Amino acid sequence: RKEVEQDPGPFNVPEGATVAFNCTYSNSASQSFFWYRQDCRKEPKLLMSVYSSGNEDGRFTAQLNRASQYISLLIRDSKLSDSATYLCVVNGMVDSSYKLIFGSGTRLLVRP
Amino acid sequence: DTAVSQTPKYLVTQMGNDKSIKCEQNLGHDTMYWYKQDSKKFLKIMFSYNNKELIINETVPNRFSPKSPDKAHLNLHINSLELGDSAVYFCASSLPRQGTNYNEQFFGPGTRLTVL
Repeated sequence: RKEVEQDPGPFNVPEGATVAFNCTYSNSASQSFFWYRQDCRKEPKLLMSVYSSGNEDGRFTAQLNRASQYISLLIRDSKLSDSATYLCVVNGMVDSSYKLIFGSGTRLLVRP
Repeated sequence: DTAVSQTPKYLVTQMGNDKSIKCEQNLGHDTMYWYKQDSKKFLKIMFSYNNKELIINETVPNRFSPKSPDKAHLNLHINSLELGDSAVYFCASSLPRQGTNYNEQFFGPGTRLTVL
């Protein structure tokens, strides 16, 4: 099982739609959770951290379910500029050290 | 002002050559990283330094050698380049890890390495 798993997509949605991405992680001891956004041929940038209580930032809502080892990202009222790859990131213990582990990303295409 | 910068942005070279990629951050962070993103878009950590000390050294070939002359710089030297080294290499920096909790990582623009 991969340490961090995401549906690669692409999710192809019209402007204004609501879209949700899911991510599962294998290490139950993980403590840090993030969603990063990566535009084509660009570097990843932090979109939001994910907290146990869930958190919202404008049109974006992140949820964490520790029992199911599951993270979600909800985007409301999609904009064309939301088109990007969304990376789920979790810290995990690998070979006796903690490090951030990136999922392979979910691609979102927002069409006019 | 660029927070994390890398040079060069593109690097095309022949198999067997030795090349270096430079990284600098002006965020005052103590921790820096090198990541490799392959054609399948997986972003995998290669090395991490905290205040010039190596703290993560993933299973990468010995041909890859990081060097941190000071905490604002982390360079990557690659010997005897192979076709499989072709990828995008990202440098990143962050505040130090606190226990098992990680802080946001800021990435450089990436270096696209093509080995012919």
